[in-house]
Amino acid sequence: DAKTTQPNSMESNEEEPVHLPCNHSTISGTDYIHWYRQLPSQGPEYVIHGLTSNVNNRMASLAIAEDRKSSTLILHRATLRDAAVYYCILRDCGNNRLAFGKGNQVVVIP
Amino acid sequence: EPEVTQTPSHQVTQMGQEVILRCVPISNHLYFYWYRQILGQKVEFLVSFYNNEISEKSEIFDDQFSVERPDGSNFTLKIRSTKLEDSAMYFCASREKTQYFGPGTRLLVL
Repeated sequence: DAKTTQPNSMESNEEEPVHLPCNHSTISGTDYIHWYRQLPSQGPEYVIHGLTSNVNNRMASLAIAEDRKSSTLILHRATLRDAAVYYCILRDCGNNRLAFGKGNQVVVIP
Repeated sequence: EPEVTQTPSHQVTQMGQEVILRCVPISNHLYFYWYRQILGQKVEFLVSFYNNEISEKSEIFDDQFSVERPDGSNFTLKIRSTKLEDSAMYFCASREKTQYFGPGTRLLVL
């Protein structure tokens, strides 16, 4: 599985934007960039995914570097309910499994 | 919004006993998965299932584990003879284009 690198943890102030970086320098042309998050004692929750172009949905935005070697998940306005572990995962379109790393523990400060 | 459901939410069993964890995937999804997460560790892939057969399995998924889709709606994970180290959260997921996870079953083996 292609590897991703994320900070172990980040802090953010409530109601401010949060930018979560992810490096994936060995990404291949068929790898999609997926983001999931896991709130305490819950299952992983799908956030967003993309291939080359930036993507927006109701939860977040995904900015993908032109060379695709890094990406940034953007939460536009952090709330206390956004405190979670965020996972950046590469998944080949032909590969079944999601390979979770340790993720980035996001703490939201009121 | 459709979601993956899992039962039971908690299961306590004695070492050596058989357990069956149940999942109801999202109805139009064709790909099904089991993952587990030992307390404090990463989410780990166990097995994927498509067209009534296993499509991929990890090294964790040994002969003690089996999966079944006994009818049109349920997807089960059976552990034949549980060990202490099987204690974990077990997550079911299903996919059309993106994997969606259930809330998990917390298994405790005593």
